[in-house]
Amino acid sequence: GAVVSQHPSWVICKSGTSVKIECRSLDFQATTMFWYRQFPKQSLMLMATSNEGSKATYEQGVEKDKFLINHASLTLSTLTVTSAHPEDSSFYICSAARDWSPLEQYFGPGTRLTVT
Amino acid sequence: TQLLEQSPQFLSIQEGENLTVYCNSSSVFSSLQWYRQEPGEGPVLLVTVVTGGEVKKLKRLTFQFGDARKDSSLHITAAQPGDTGLYLCAGVDFGNEKLTFGTGTRLTIIP
Repeated sequence: GAVVSQHPSWVICKSGTSVKIECRSLDFQATTMFWYRQFPKQSLMLMATSNEGSKATYEQGVEKDKFLINHASLTLSTLTVTSAHPEDSSFYICSAARDWSPLEQYFGPGTRLTVT
Repeated sequence: TQLLEQSPQFLSIQEGENLTVYCNSSSVFSSLQWYRQEPGEGPVLLVTVVTGGEVKKLKRLTFQFGDARKDSSLHITAAQPGDTGLYLCAGVDFGNEKLTFGTGTRLTIIP
């Protein structure tokens, strides 16, 4: 149990366009979902925390108008990178938790975004 | 925001050798986790430690949480090529319900 999927696994888009990444909890209901960003050979950096039915909480330095997060149901959260630029190219990883505890996160396989 | 420094940053050793990876911070954690991440995949949880001084063993892996809850170590005995990956510690500090990841240790086991 506790499987989290992401779609797409990789995406290439042109500069100025928007791209949506989906995160789904396949076999459990996720009250909380987290979005992370990982640059090559670096660690994971938390971008935002989302709770079902409410607005996401963004970390300092993360532009909420650029990285739109929607957690519309207990099994789906989406991250939309708007007006993407090459510097947004990164590995985006989501995680899902049954409750508020950050210790009970189950991570997705990640989405590789390349902006040309 | 706590900063979790891992050392070494890179480690390449021969199969069969032992190794230790360290995770240090100036802040106190309420709990700490260790993950392993393969290239192009999400991190996979190895262990959670919650008590200062706690030692947990998972087959050839031994995890220790410092008495002061500011540091942790991961010891691998008789390393195998399958142990290759990025090892990440991650901590939760008191009153902050977020997981902060360490800087990572990239381990390569040479057959």
